[in-house]
Amino acid sequence: SQTIHQWPATLVQPVGSPLSLECTVEGTSNPNLYWYRQAAGRGLQLLFYSVGIGQISSEVPQNLSASRPQDRQFILSSKKLLLSDSGFYLCAWSLAGGADTQYFGPGTRLTVL
Amino acid sequence: EDQVTQSPEALRLQEGESSSLNCSYTVSGLRGLFWYRQDPGKGPEFLFTLYSAGEEKEKERLKATLTKKESFLHITAPKPEDSATYLCAVRLGGNTPLVFGKGTRLSVIA
Repeated sequence: SQTIHQWPATLVQPVGSPLSLECTVEGTSNPNLYWYRQAAGRGLQLLFYSVGIGQISSEVPQNLSASRPQDRQFILSSKKLLLSDSGFYLCAWSLAGGADTQYFGPGTRLTVL
Repeated sequence: EDQVTQSPEALRLQEGESSSLNCSYTVSGLRGLFWYRQDPGKGPEFLFTLYSAGEEKEKERLKATLTKKESFLHITAPKPEDSATYLCAVRLGGNTPLVFGKGTRLSVIA
């Protein structure tokens, strides 16, 4: 069966510091991968998605970036965090092809102070 | 303009009091409608996928239905453990990402 991992689970960072969140998927090959941010009262906002290694699509312009160095690894980064980057970050995967259900990881709670 | 609207925003039920949550969408060319359950501090958990009007799916006390413009999540005789936020999402087609509603926060009181 497939499993999805995210770490860290929680993170408190000062404004201006860098960020690296990691997501890995087990039990499937060539998945579509997604990064979402969830803020209170705003629902899930898609940040990035990837259909393959090195292929990243950005949905919202911001100071965040994403990379996919390996087939089942997806990384969310920032060079300098802003207060507005605080939120609950979720990684998700789906089968290649796009028509399938997305399955979410446990999330990372990021607080920028 | 929101493409996916969920109502009500919050719902409080007594244990055993059946009700329905609504998800309406304005997009055309729907390629799938998805329901998720999310507990506080956790990632959404997949419940159902519906693809065509008239389709229904059930899981324990939950039943999801789909029409051309909306979906309902019916909760029959809910229990306190059904308390969660229920999210609805739609897919337009191809490799397009899901579009999520803001969710309905359900509280079931014993």
